Amino acid sequence: AQSVTQPDIHITVSEGASLELRCNYSYGATPYLFWYVQSPGQGLQLLLKYFSGDTLVQGIKGFEAEFKRSQSSFNLRKPSVHWSDAAEYFCAVGSLISGTYKYIFGTGTRLKVLA
Amino acid sequence: NAGVTQTPKFRILKIGQSMTLQCTQDMNHNYMYWYRQDPGMGLKLIYYSVGAGITDKGEVPNGYNVSRSTTEDFPLRLELAAPSQTSVYFCASTREILNSPLHFGNGTRLTVT
Repeated sequence: AQSVTQPDIHITVSEGASLELRCNYSYGATPYLFWYVQSPGQGLQLLLKYFSGDTLVQGIKGFEAEFKRSQSSFNLRKPSVHWSDAAEYFCAVGSLISGTYKYIFGTGTRLKVLA
Repeated sequence: NAGVTQTPKFRILKIGQSMTLQCTQDMNHNYMYWYRQDPGMGLKLIYYSVGAGITDKGEVPNGYNVSRSTTEDFPLRLELAAPSQTSVYFCASTREILNSPLHFGNGTRLTVT
């Protein structure tokens, strides 16, 4: 069965430091991968997506993610974190299950940024 | 461009009461979804719809019902509210292309006491 694992529940970084959020997936075919960000009291906003081609994808707000098929990973990175990046981040896999498009989400990683 | 709109933003229900969470989208998306979000649990799929008149159960459908009479609207009904339904509910929509991302509403925070 398809699954998404985000092993880090909470991460704390200092403003200006680099960031990497981990995501591992389990899926038999070529995965369609997404990262979303959720600010407090808001819905989820798409940061970036991957479905083919270059394994390093760029997203909004200076984020990027690298797809590594051999490791079944799709980690999110940012070179220098800003205080406004404090939020919860979700990794998701899109798949065709029984003829229907469905999206499986990880449990999320909450990012805290220290001034 | 409104996107996905959910109402109400907040609601407190007593045990046994009923209510409908409203969701409407203006992007002409055929696929619509209802998720609930509980702390540390991520998003769980309640119900989904692939077009007007077509709905199906997700992972956690018990205690909920949906309808889809139009492409735009996908209301979620709670018939007999229980404390276990205290959660944040999100409606989302997408085009029927697998690499198309979900577009989310801002959520409804429901408390059942």
